[in-house]
Amino acid sequence: RKEVEQDPGPFNVPEGATVAFNCTYSNSASQSFFWYRQDCRKEPKLLMSVYSSGNEDGRFTAQLNRASQYISLLIRDSKLSDSATYLCAVNVRTNAGKSTFGDGTTLTVKP
Amino acid sequence: NAGVTQTPKFRILKIGQSMTLQCAQDMNHNYMYWYRQDPGMGLKLIYYSVGAGITDKGEVPNGYNVSRSTTEDFPLRLELAAPSQTSVYFCASSYSTGQGGTQYFGPGTRLLVL
Repeated sequence: RKEVEQDPGPFNVPEGATVAFNCTYSNSASQSFFWYRQDCRKEPKLLMSVYSSGNEDGRFTAQLNRASQYISLLIRDSKLSDSATYLCAVNVRTNAGKSTFGDGTTLTVKP
Repeated sequence: NAGVTQTPKFRILKIGQSMTLQCAQDMNHNYMYWYRQDPGMGLKLIYYSVGAGITDKGEVPNGYNVSRSTTEDFPLRLELAAPSQTSVYFCASSYSTGQGGTQYFGPGTRLLVL
C-alpha cells in the first residue's frame, strides 16, 4: 500500500461545478499536510496547508480527518484556470521535513 | 529573490555519460531536496539535505549522488546515465519542518537519456 494515495481521476467538470479530492495517508505519525498545484510541465506550487481545524482560502477548502487518516480539498465554482494536477503531501514527525507526495489528481474544467 | 533555480532546463544524454544538475536557492533555507517525476506519476525523493555538509538518501537514490558544501547549493550528480533516468528532476527547499515546511520548487530539469 502506498504511503499517500489520491483519487486516481481524471476529473472532468463543467465551469461552476464543485469538485472534491481526497487523499489518504497510512502513517499515523503524520504531522503536516499540504495541497500543491502543478500546471502542465511546471513545478508544483503550494496551494494551501491543511490545518487540524480545516481552512478556507476563497473558493478552496481543505480539511483534515486524523481519525480516518485523510485530507480533502474542495473547490467551489470551478474556473477554467483551476485545470491542473493537485498533489497532496504529508510530512511525518521527525522526518527532516521530508514530504511524501501522492501521485496527483488531474482536474480539467470545461466551458 | 530568485527563489530556487535549476540548470540546465533540458538535456539529452547518451547512455553511460555523466552530468551534474545544478540547484541553488537564495532564501537561506536549511532543507533541500531532489525529486524525480516520471510522466503521470508523483514525486519520488532521491536525496535530501538538512544543512550544509549533511545529506541522506531518499526513496530512489541509486545512480545518483549529491553534495551540500554551502547552504545555497545542492547539486545532483548522475553517473553512468541509463534510459531509466529519463525524467523531470525538481529541486526544492524549505525553511523548517512541520506545518512551516512548505517546499519551494525550482522549474525543473528535463533529462532524456538515449
